Amino acid sequence: DVKVTQSSRYLVKRTGEKVFLECVQDMDHENMFWYRQDPGLGLRLIYFSYDVKMKEKGDIPEGYSVSREKKERFSLILESASTNQTSMYLCASSYSGSTDTQYFGPGTRLTVL
Amino acid sequence: EDQVTQSPEALRLQEGESSSLNCSYTVSGLRGLFWYRQDPGKGPEFLFTLYSAGEEKEKERLKATLTKKESFLHITAPKPEDSATYLCAVGTSGSARQLTFGSGTQLTVLP
Repeated sequence: DVKVTQSSRYLVKRTGEKVFLECVQDMDHENMFWYRQDPGLGLRLIYFSYDVKMKEKGDIPEGYSVSREKKERFSLILESASTNQTSMYLCASSYSGSTDTQYFGPGTRLTVL
Repeated sequence: EDQVTQSPEALRLQEGESSSLNCSYTVSGLRGLFWYRQDPGKGPEFLFTLYSAGEEKEKERLKATLTKKESFLHITAPKPEDSATYLCAVGTSGSARQLTFGSGTQLTVLP
């Protein structure tokens, strides 16, 4: 079974703090994704990566950066957290084959005070 | 621009009352249509991938079908444990491994 894990289920941070969210997958997937999910807005893609050290902006990259130093690990960084970044953050991974099926982690509920 | 619309937004059923959820899409070059189940406070759980019109897939009380413009998720004799939000997503030839998600249907099955 595919397993995607995220470093924290719940996180509370202060405005202006630097925040790291980490995602690890154990299926040797090439592709990894970071989404945020908000009521009424659905899933929105922040960044994705097709390979180690590769990154591409998604629909809402502002205020975020990412790092992929190893194939299994994809980190999302909030350089200076703001209250409007309070959200559920979801990581996903997929295999670069004939299917684009993405497998999701359990999510991190981030609250910025 | 790829678009995915799910209806209804919310659906309440009595246990055993069968129904269908709809996912309509407007895309160029469909690579696959995906259904996920999401429980409150958790990440989406993969259910099905459909690739071409006429394809059907089943899992327990769920059956997914695909036409050229929409997909249906049929729920037969649902149980309370089927209560969740069901998400539909599409992958297209122009999207380079990305998926476009619908906003979901929140299903509640009452005992």
